[in-house]
Amino acid sequence: QSALTQPASVSGSPGQSITISCTGTSSDVGGYNYVSWYQQHPGKAPKLMIYEVSNRPSGVPDRFSGSKSGNTASLTISGLQAEDEADYYCSSYTSSSPGVVFGGGTKLTVL
Amino acid sequence: EVQLVESGGGLVQPGRSLRLSCAASGFTFDDYAMHWVRQAPGKGLEWVSGISWNSGSIGYADSVKGRFTISRDNAKNSLYLQMNSLRAEDTALYYCAKDKYSSGGSAFDIWGQGTMVTVSS
Repeated sequence: QSALTQPASVSGSPGQSITISCTGTSSDVGGYNYVSWYQQHPGKAPKLMIYEVSNRPSGVPDRFSGSKSGNTASLTISGLQAEDEADYYCSSYTSSSPGVVFGGGTKLTVL
Repeated sequence: EVQLVESGGGLVQPGRSLRLSCAASGFTFDDYAMHWVRQAPGKGLEWVSGISWNSGSIGYADSVKGRFTISRDNAKNSLYLQMNSLRAEDTALYYCAKDKYSSGGSAFDIWGQGTMVTVSS
């Protein structure tokens, strides 16, 4: 169960758009549409932002969107706001074991 | 209010055991799969274990397989994690998380606040 690969950090200015990538293999990201994205502010529990690649739970702004191509999933945040500054994690179902695997996390800085 | 409350964490010596509990409220517990996810200090999230609604399907991370056991009691709306042969690398904040689905589609839509486990002599 190797962790999914995410960039360690990304940054953007208010109002801009950013994209965070999440790369896995055909045993996880590429093989199933069970990719999720979580937002975690310091000292807080994670919050589900995207599930099944591109679905938003109720209450999540439509500025957050998800997609997938091959073994790589992506989270795009448009119209960046200061409160979007947080750590973001992707996860996927994996047929290895089987179970769930997380990415290493990406720190988003809003400049 | 939908809520998950973890308990049972603490300081434990290497090689010893600990049992975590998670009390669920505000939703029909036996309709959903449940999971344990941990986060070492300053590190990322790591899935530990998951269990389907009826305990018929259970999975573990390779790092805990053979040492940890997940279970649930639907009559008590509770999830458990029995942790044996604890190691220093098991030191982490342990979260209980609810799955969106009964069999474990792997989207965790409700999280507790976590219980800290510290393994040290």
